[in-house]
Amino acid sequence: DARVTQTPRHKVTEMGQEVTMRCQPILGHNTVFWYRQTMMQGLELLAYFRNRAPLDDSGMPKDRFSAEMPDATLATLKIQPSEPRDSAVYFCASHGRSYGYTFGSGTRLTVV
Amino acid sequence: ILNVEQSPQSLHVQEGDSTNFTCSFPSSNFYALHWYRWETAKSPEALFVMTLNGDEKKKGRISATLNTKEGYSYLYIKGSQPEDSATYLCASANFGNEKLTFGTGTRLTIIP
Repeated sequence: DARVTQTPRHKVTEMGQEVTMRCQPILGHNTVFWYRQTMMQGLELLAYFRNRAPLDDSGMPKDRFSAEMPDATLATLKIQPSEPRDSAVYFCASHGRSYGYTFGSGTRLTVV
Repeated sequence: ILNVEQSPQSLHVQEGDSTNFTCSFPSSNFYALHWYRWETAKSPEALFVMTLNGDEKKKGRISATLNTKEGYSYLYIKGSQPEDSATYLCASANFGNEKLTFGTGTRLTIIP
């Protein structure tokens, strides 16, 4: 089965450090999303790309978060500097012409 | 309705019983309604994508209906089994925009 691959699965880092999360979307899917799972708000959209172009990053704190798609096989989400309130599970999802989104397994980030 | 809302927040159902829960979404500029099944420690998996008013979709013992005029969708599970225990998410998309706005989910627990 085609799948969205996220790395790392888990990341523990100290406050102030840079964190980079990576996502490999399904080949041929031209839309890629970054979501964050929080206890209070469920799944919140951080950013999304279509054909590698950023379309909406209004859900992302701009001062510390950045999202890029250097090529069609890689999307990155970077936090610099990280803060304890960034601790969450970050999901990447991709979407093609077919049915629904396909989610990756998520990156569980803990900032201490 | 300004946001996607799901009710109830959680539900305990005896094995073998049938159950249903609700998703309410903004009806203006509506394009699509998605349902996802999310097991603990896994990633959300697409169940249904519906676009047409009156649409009804079925997958095994699970079915969903859609009313786009009044902005609601129901998910039904017939003859609940322990493996149905999960959080069920709905999400809506507007015309011209692929991003999904998720509800906070209904957490379903099936009691053996």
